[in-house]
Amino acid sequence: GENVEQHPSTLSVQEGDSAVIKCTYSDSASNYFPWYKQELGKRPQLIIDIRSNVGEKKDQRIAVTLNKTAKHFSLHITETQPEDSAVYFCAATARGVNAGGTSYGKLTFGQGTILTVHP
Amino acid sequence: GAVVSQHPSWVICKSGTSVKIECRSLDFQATTMFWYRQFPKQSLMLMATSNEGSKATYEQGVEKDKFLINHASLTLSTLTVTSAHPEDSSFYICSALAGLGYTDTQYFGPGTRLTVL
Repeated sequence: GENVEQHPSTLSVQEGDSAVIKCTYSDSASNYFPWYKQELGKRPQLIIDIRSNVGEKKDQRIAVTLNKTAKHFSLHITETQPEDSAVYFCAATARGVNAGGTSYGKLTFGQGTILTVHP
Repeated sequence: GAVVSQHPSWVICKSGTSVKIECRSLDFQATTMFWYRQFPKQSLMLMATSNEGSKATYEQGVEKDKFLINHASLTLSTLTVTSAHPEDSSFYICSALAGLGYTDTQYFGPGTRLTVL
């Protein structure tokens, strides 16, 4: 099955700096890579995702890059703000539709990164 | 984005009792839902995949007779923790797939904090 490794486990930056979180995956069939932000006691929130047909995707201060050859993908947050402080999880899966017409492809999550942005 | 609700948000029960948690997709139909368990300061661990109208698929190590999953409609899946014990205390989160296949996206419910005394 899929195995996702995430680094670093903790990341501390000053407000305004950039933050980068990296993940590697093992299954070359994986084609969908979402990133989730989770605040304490709350649900994971999808912040950005990338599919295997593109190498980079950007949404304002957040960007994700994907290197399929090396099987790694990264989250980049620029101009960090204190409200960016949270736990970030990467995930990977091979998405598709089976013969019965239902989706397959369970997410495998990384271990999480605790991001702290100091004012 | 799509909205997934979960009820209750928290529950405290005595050891040996059963607890039912509901997961609903509010503005979309979800043929596939997932149930996760998350211990403090840890990642999400998938317990089972729930497909509407069929039996759930459990992950290795998850007791299907203890964690009963029912996905009776396209908007509702339930998880019943039977004969709960203190070690079952955890944060249970469901998610639902919006869309189909390659373009679908997974949205999470707000979670249920279960405390077994």
